Amino acid sequence: NAGVTQTPKFQVLKTGQSMTLQCAQDMNHNSMYWYRQDPGMGLRLIYYSASEGTTDKGEVPNGYNVSRLNKREFSLRLESAAPSQTSVYFCASKASSYNEQFFGPGTRLTVL
Amino acid sequence: QKEVEQNSGPLSVPEGAIASLNCTYSDRGSQSFFWYRQYSGKSPELIMFIYSNGDKEDGRFTAQLNKASQYVSLLIRDSQPSDSATYLCAVISAGNMLTFGGGTRLMVKP
Repeated sequence: NAGVTQTPKFQVLKTGQSMTLQCAQDMNHNSMYWYRQDPGMGLRLIYYSASEGTTDKGEVPNGYNVSRLNKREFSLRLESAAPSQTSVYFCASKASSYNEQFFGPGTRLTVL
Repeated sequence: QKEVEQNSGPLSVPEGAIASLNCTYSDRGSQSFFWYRQYSGKSPELIMFIYSNGDKEDGRFTAQLNKASQYVSLLIRDSQPSDSATYLCAVISAGNMLTFGGGTRLMVKP
């Protein structure tokens, strides 16, 4: 059981470039989440997917898009990266009947 | 005003002492409260959750909830250097979303 996996672990982009962060979970969880973490800010929710086929905006969705490809996979896309998107990105998943979210190892993204 | 507030620290305690971490929240309708531990460069991991007023104990950890004061705390007894980490308070509030505080950095000195 790998839990929640994320790729890549590190990425450096130039302003205006695009990229997709990948997330997969093998726990058969219905809900999946994308957060960003900046120093002193805790984690802020970007987008979430309560179940396969649905996605909703979180607190800070601007500049991002998501795709819930199937029950296992939830990707986050930056269409035109900006320096303000430099952050650590965490994916998480949760079973419907419990409140605990399980986090992936994170992707450290730098936008120059 | 942030919805979940924590003192950023660092909170420094000697080994063997009790570490007390505090969190306040603004949504009076919040029902579920969580403490996550995050080691430097790692992802958050859940260590405690509490839903009812009062204390909940799990080993060296005690979570305390006071809904009237909108206050939740985490006590760590017999603190160890391995407890040195950032502790994130999180609250399920409007829309059933988990809202995190900024975290308190704890340093336990041998």
